[in-house]
Amino acid sequence: GAVVSQHPSRVICKSGTSVKIECRSLDFQATTMFWYRQFPKQSLMLMATSNEGSKATYEQGVEKDKFLINHASLTLSTLTVTSAHPEDSSFYICSAIDRLVAFFGQGTRLTVV
Amino acid sequence: DQQVKQNSPSLSVQEGRISILNCDYTNSMFDYFLWYKKYPAEGPTFLISISSIKDKNEDGRFTVFLNKSAKHLSLHIVPSQPGDSAVYFCAASPRGQNFVFGPGTRLSVLP
Repeated sequence: GAVVSQHPSRVICKSGTSVKIECRSLDFQATTMFWYRQFPKQSLMLMATSNEGSKATYEQGVEKDKFLINHASLTLSTLTVTSAHPEDSSFYICSAIDRLVAFFGQGTRLTVV
Repeated sequence: DQQVKQNSPSLSVQEGRISILNCDYTNSMFDYFLWYKKYPAEGPTFLISISSIKDKNEDGRFTVFLNKSAKHLSLHIVPSQPGDSAVYFCAASPRGQNFVFGPGTRLSVLP
């Protein structure tokens, strides 16, 4: 199947700093990518839909100024967690759709200390 | 309001037996359904899909059944293996658009 690569897989940062997470579609082009968040023992929660060349669409309750999304090319979307706080600690996952199947990145474990 | 439901948070099955994971949906616009498997600290892995024009799709040990009238689908794994122990997510989509995921069912296959 198609490959979606997410980087970094794990990051620890200090409270108040910003963290950037990259999501790349390696063997296909994705005009749309999705960013999810997963809390322990809970399901995937869609945060936002990233659209190449235009603004991202955020789900209700997700702060767009806190979670900045940039989709500058057909193979790369980035999620920047700005001014991170301990409550932002979570598992973040991106996905992209290729021929009707959503393929997921490996996920990023963010820990804010 | 959950559009995709997986009412069993967990399931335990003996190795070699059949595992049946269930999923219900409410939105009649959904016409494409997928199952994903997820290990801890990893992204979900695509397993199998089914279009609404079919009622069954089989791939090796995995079979997905779709009952459109009941808005219900199920994933059968037979025979179950210890390596199948993971969280299984059902997902639904209005063809090619965003996917809505269920809350997941944790499957434990006991040796």
